[in-house]
Amino acid sequence: KAGVTQTPRYLIKTRGQQVTLSCSPISGHRSVSWYQQTPGQGLQFLFEYFSETQRNKGNFPGRFSGRQFSNSRSEMNVSTLELGDSALYLCASSQTGRSGNTEAFFGQGTRLTVV
Amino acid sequence: AQTVTQSQPEMSVQEAETVTLSCTYDTSESNYYLFWYKQPPSRQMILVIRQEAYKQQNATENRFSVNFQKAAKSFSLKISDSQLGDTAMYFCAFMSYNTNAGKSTFGDGTTLTVKP
Repeated sequence: KAGVTQTPRYLIKTRGQQVTLSCSPISGHRSVSWYQQTPGQGLQFLFEYFSETQRNKGNFPGRFSGRQFSNSRSEMNVSTLELGDSALYLCASSQTGRSGNTEAFFGQGTRLTVV
Repeated sequence: AQTVTQSQPEMSVQEAETVTLSCTYDTSESNYYLFWYKQPPSRQMILVIRQEAYKQQNATENRFSVNFQKAAKSFSLKISDSQLGDTAMYFCAFMSYNTNAGKSTFGDGTTLTVKP
């Protein structure tokens, strides 16, 4: 069974640009969560999607958005990039994200550098 | 809101010895899950062990075991017979039972180095 796939692995963008990151969950998993990992802030929850609906959202500005498609693949978008958006973005998938099926499987992440 | 605190930013242990990583959390909920994840230099986050708060018995997975103290809100990870491959950053995480499905709150991590 293929694992969680995140593309691209590395990305360099300029301030003010926008970026789209992609996450393909494990087959059969319907929940996809996104996290931002930085040395100073650790892992911060961005949002979670289940069956194409945003079910949970973290404390990030509106520049951060996401969506999920009918095949459970998810994208996150960051508009008007700032230097502080440089981070490792991790995606995690689970069967439902609810009790009983909570084990989350993580992708290898996308390293975003904003210059 | 839940918080997770890992008070040991870095730790080291000799190969074959035992090491314990600390984690405390704060929540007003009574039903929740606690996790320990391992993130090696390859960046792939891997689940090490999981504990359901309603279970009194401490979870174990081979050389990994936890000491779950619900009243004290403590969830430490013990690694026995440490191996070089255990070198990684370890994260403690909390997930509410129902209300925040799919959302985990992570501690800042503990970097563990296993020395030969």
